[in-house]
Amino acid sequence: VRLLESGGGLVQPGGSLRLSCVASGLAFSDHAMNWVRQTPGKGLEWVSAINGGDSDKTYYAESVKGRFTISRDNSRNTLYLEINSLRGDDTAVYYCATTEYWGQGTLVTVSS
Amino acid sequence: QSVLAQPPSASGTPGQRVTISCSGSSSNIGRNYVYWYQQFPGSAPTLLVSGNNQRPSGVPDRFSGSKSGTSASLVISGLRSEDEADYYCSAWDDSLSGRLFGGGTKLTVL
Repeated sequence: VRLLESGGGLVQPGGSLRLSCVASGLAFSDHAMNWVRQTPGKGLEWVSAINGGDSDKTYYAESVKGRFTISRDNSRNTLYLEINSLRGDDTAVYYCATTEYWGQGTLVTVSS
Repeated sequence: QSVLAQPPSASGTPGQRVTISCSGSSSNIGRNYVYWYQQFPGSAPTLLVSGNNQRPSGVPDRFSGSKSGTSASLVISGLRSEDEADYYCSAWDDSLSGRLFGGGTKLTVL
């Protein structure tokens, strides 16, 4: 199983990014998927989740509601996270994960 | 978002048995699976113990998980130097409709 994130980078406060996560080696459409972030030197913070199977129901942490949008394209085995109105405290490594598997993460740095 | 409560640090000598606790509530640990993850500096977390206290292939049987009521524990038996890492518990919270993580426990092998 491999989860490969991309799309991170340096962005100014108030800016936007779209993170992607391409999955291989698993039945992607069957799995609920998560985005989890980690500020360097700090703990893990769950950001968002989207159901697998027949449901595309989405869930968000209070800290990102209204600014982040999770989505998936099962035909491309790809998970997305649209991040808007970025703030300094959004600076973190963003991981794509199931409950069992994690990607290596993509770093988002918010700075002017 | 609230977190599950873990001790910030734990330690032991090689060969010892170490227990890391994770305290939650009826809306998370009390009614949902608990997962334990291990993370080394500079690396992504990896699953140690899954929700039904099963270990993925490749995880030594020195690692085991348990749950009682609204608390869970990770037990590491026969502690080894390579176990020095950060450990996180995680559970879904039905009231918050979100996943919670513990604050993490830094394990030091003395």
